Amino acid sequence: NAGVTQTPKFRVLKTGQSMTLLCAQDMNHEYMYWYRQDPGMGLRLIHYSVGEGTTAKGEVPDGYNVSRLKKQNFLLGLESAAPSQTSVYFCASSLGLGGNTQYFGPGTRLTVL
Amino acid sequence: AQSVTQLDSHVSVSEGTPVLLRCNYSSSYSPSLFWYVQHPNKGLQLLLKYTSAATLVKGINGFEAEFKKSETSFHLTKPSAHMSDAAEYFCVVSFDNNDMRFGAGTRLTVKP
Repeated sequence: NAGVTQTPKFRVLKTGQSMTLLCAQDMNHEYMYWYRQDPGMGLRLIHYSVGEGTTAKGEVPDGYNVSRLKKQNFLLGLESAAPSQTSVYFCASSLGLGGNTQYFGPGTRLTVL
Repeated sequence: AQSVTQLDSHVSVSEGTPVLLRCNYSSSYSPSLFWYVQHPNKGLQLLLKYTSAATLVKGINGFEAEFKKSETSFHLTKPSAHMSDAAEYFCVVSFDNNDMRFGAGTRLTVKP
């Protein structure tokens, strides 16, 4: 099992450019999440999905969009990148909510110039 | 409102000495509590979790944590630090809905 994988690992964008981050999991999990990690702030939830075809906003959703067309994939899009979106992005998946363990991908380091 | 506070942003210990990483939470309900570890340039890995069973929870690599409801704490301990324990540690509080809150993290340094 590969677990949770993320592509790309690194990316540099110019302000105003767009890009899509891909997250894939092979554990048949229903729930998937996108977080951003900034120094001194822990991880903050951007968007999440409770099943194929569903998405919901997290704590910091502005400037991002997501799609869950297939159960195993969860895409995070930036339509017009801004320097404030420079961060490390983590995808995670879990069987359920609450006390269920979340399994994390290795992260994508994004720099917006 | 639910929140989680890690009381130390940085902890430094000598190899072979005990480790204590402190975490307090605020909640009106009984939460699930987790500790995750993140090694440099890696994703997060679960160390242990509490989900209303035994209050003393044992995790991987010799770590354990005790849930104390009266103190709203979930401190992480290890009797003897190893160099490989140097990493960032996150305390996480989760509820029955999808509200999962991460602490700001504690960076553990282990000196030889």
